[in-house]
Amino acid sequence: KQEVTQIPAALSVPEGENLVLNCSFTDSAIYNLQWFRQDPGKGLTSLLLIQSSQREQTSGRLNASLDKSSGRSTLYIAASQPGDSATYLCAVRSLGTSGSRLTFGEGTQLTVNP
Amino acid sequence: SAVISQKPSRDICQRGTSLTIQCQVDSQVTMMFWYRQQPGQSLTLIATANQGSEATYESGFVIDKFPISRPNLTFSTLTVSNMSPEDSSIYLCSVEDLIIGGRQETQYFGPGTRLLVL
Repeated sequence: KQEVTQIPAALSVPEGENLVLNCSFTDSAIYNLQWFRQDPGKGLTSLLLIQSSQREQTSGRLNASLDKSSGRSTLYIAASQPGDSATYLCAVRSLGTSGSRLTFGEGTQLTVNP
Repeated sequence: SAVISQKPSRDICQRGTSLTIQCQVDSQVTMMFWYRQQPGQSLTLIATANQGSEATYESGFVIDKFPISRPNLTFSTLTVSNMSPEDSSIYLCSVEDLIIGGRQETQYFGPGTRLLVL
């Protein structure tokens, strides 16, 4: 059974700092990995999708890396801003008993202080 | 990308009643899912909504408690039946499209329905 862990559970940084969020998963047989952002009481916004054959994806100030063999992914946020404050969720797609399955981590709650 | 809307956005319900949540997508999609996010926790898949047939439920979720409809490729409903305070959660509709070759594409989520059961 796939398990996804995110570290740290919460992070508070001053504005302008570069930061790294970590995600690890137990079963390396994955199709892809996706990073989401969730604002309080809201739905999820997809940030980056990395296919299993890829090593990284970039979008603006965000860079996500994937090391499938070690079961790890990182989300790098450059020059953080207060608007980046949200919960960041990592989700791994792998094969379940009834088709592919998206398994979520519990998220990292990020606060960027002005 | 798919644009997903959900109704209602939030509701406060009495114990023992039922609530039906609607999910509308702006394009035809192959796969639709319903997730639950309990306070302070991550997302848990309730079921896959299958067009034209019964939904596929995950372990711990049953059709009597969470009946699901999917009459076409753009619409689905989830009913939370005989509610109790433990059902207080955010309920999220999600969709994905299979691209040619069978690789799964990005999964998209609706804005969620915040349910509070008193």
